[in-house]
Amino acid sequence: DQQVKQNSPSLSVQEGRISILNCDYTNSMFDYFLWYKKYPAEGPTFLISISSIKDKNEDGRFTVFLNKSAKHLSLHIVPSQPGDSAVYFCAASVMGAGSYQLTFGKGTKLSVIP
Amino acid sequence: EAEVAQSPRYKITEKSQAVAFWCDPISGHATLYWYRQILGQGPELLVQFQDESVVDDSQLPKDRFSAERLKGVDSTLKIQPAELGDSAMYLCASKGAKYTGELFFGEGSRLTVL
Repeated sequence: DQQVKQNSPSLSVQEGRISILNCDYTNSMFDYFLWYKKYPAEGPTFLISISSIKDKNEDGRFTVFLNKSAKHLSLHIVPSQPGDSAVYFCAASVMGAGSYQLTFGKGTKLSVIP
Repeated sequence: EAEVAQSPRYKITEKSQAVAFWCDPISGHATLYWYRQILGQGPELLVQFQDESVVDDSQLPKDRFSAERLKGVDSTLKIQPAELGDSAMYLCASKGAKYTGELFFGEGSRLTVL
């Protein structure tokens, strides 16, 4: 049973427009959420995170929104740039458990078209 | 900038052969993880170490996989014998004592089993 779901395998966006990547989770124990970016043949790199006590976190062009009641989070990239083209993974953890393990979704491949 | 080192980057082997992957985490990071990412899927945890001790290896196929971190620094993941279904990216990650939520990943080792 997949606890973190990214239902869109791919997304194409024009350069300069907004990219919105979505993620749903089923485990109500998750209290910390992260987005990772991955280029081909490289490891994932951390992008942005949000604690369950917040509903929004912003870092430059990247904003993550969390809707706990819907068990849904989204990553907004504004404006989108060609260098943003990569696979984006949503991940979640139970910080209070002390194990600090991340559970990942399957990823969404973002293509930003110049 | 400190980073997680992994080798080899690429490994091609025939089924039934033995393979080994090496990881050197960021200096001072006591917690080390091995994840496996099959193409089209998100990373899945195989084993987690705290110093030299295994914290969680519940998802490690112990009939053919083994992992060790003898001195609590670098780590080796071994597969013997390799099977076709083991073809994947093997990712090592680490985190420091001051846990800010994210794990730091290496560039991965891409395994192809023929």
